[in-house]
Amino acid sequence: DTEVTQTPKHLVMGMTNKKSLKCEQHMGHRAMYWYKQKAKKPPELMFVYSYEKLSINESVPSRFSPECPNSSLLNLHLHALQPEDSALYLCASSRSHGGARDEQFFGPGTRLTVL
Amino acid sequence: GNSVTQMEGPVTLSEEAFLTINCTYTATGYPSLFWYVQYPGEGLQLLLKATKADDKGSNKGFEATYRKETTSFHLEKGSVQVSDSAVYFCALQGGSEKLVFGKGTKLTVNP
Repeated sequence: DTEVTQTPKHLVMGMTNKKSLKCEQHMGHRAMYWYKQKAKKPPELMFVYSYEKLSINESVPSRFSPECPNSSLLNLHLHALQPEDSALYLCASSRSHGGARDEQFFGPGTRLTVL
Repeated sequence: GNSVTQMEGPVTLSEEAFLTINCTYTATGYPSLFWYVQYPGEGLQLLLKATKADDKGSNKGFEATYRKETTSFHLEKGSVQVSDSAVYFCALQGGSEKLVFGKGTKLTVNP
C-alpha cells in the first residue's frame, strides 16, 4: 500500500471556526509532512514530524497547530484562520527524514476555503 | 542553499508530439532528483526519480537522466497524450535539507 489519505477533501470554514485536517499512511514511514500550496505555485513546507516528534516548523503562524498521535496519523488543527490561508493543504510521508534517497509520497490534499 | 530552476511554460503540444521540460539544479553533495506530476484538482504524484549521477529514471513513457556535469534533470517523453496534461514539478532532496521544488511547468496536450 503506497497511499497517503487525507480527509476531508474539501473544507469551507469561517474565521472563527475550529477545524482539523487529517492524514494517514500505512507504509511504515517514520516522517510525515504538511505543505501548503497556493494556486499555480509549488508546495511550501509547513511542518515535519520525524518519529512522531516535531522536527521542523517553518515559522508557521500559531493558528496552525500540528499533532502526530502515532506514527501513522498526522493532524493539522486550524483556528482563527484568515482568508489568505485558503489553499490546498498537502500531507506527505517518507521512510525517514534527512535521507537524500527517501522520496516523499503525497496525499490528494484538502482544498480549504476560509470565508 | 539548494535550488531548482525549471522552464515555467506553459507548454502546449499536440497529441503524439515530443516533450522536453528543462530542469537544472544547484546543490552541494549528492542530492536525489525527482519529477512530480500534479493532475488538475489532485495532489502530487511521484513520476520518477534518480539518486546518483548518470541514473535514468523512467515511468509511463517519461524519462529523465541525472547529469552531474551539466547539473540537469530534463524530463522527456517521445509521444504525449491528452491524459498527460498536468503540472510537472522538478524537485531536489539533499541530505538533511528539505525537498526543494522548481516553480512548476503546466503542460496542455491538445487532441
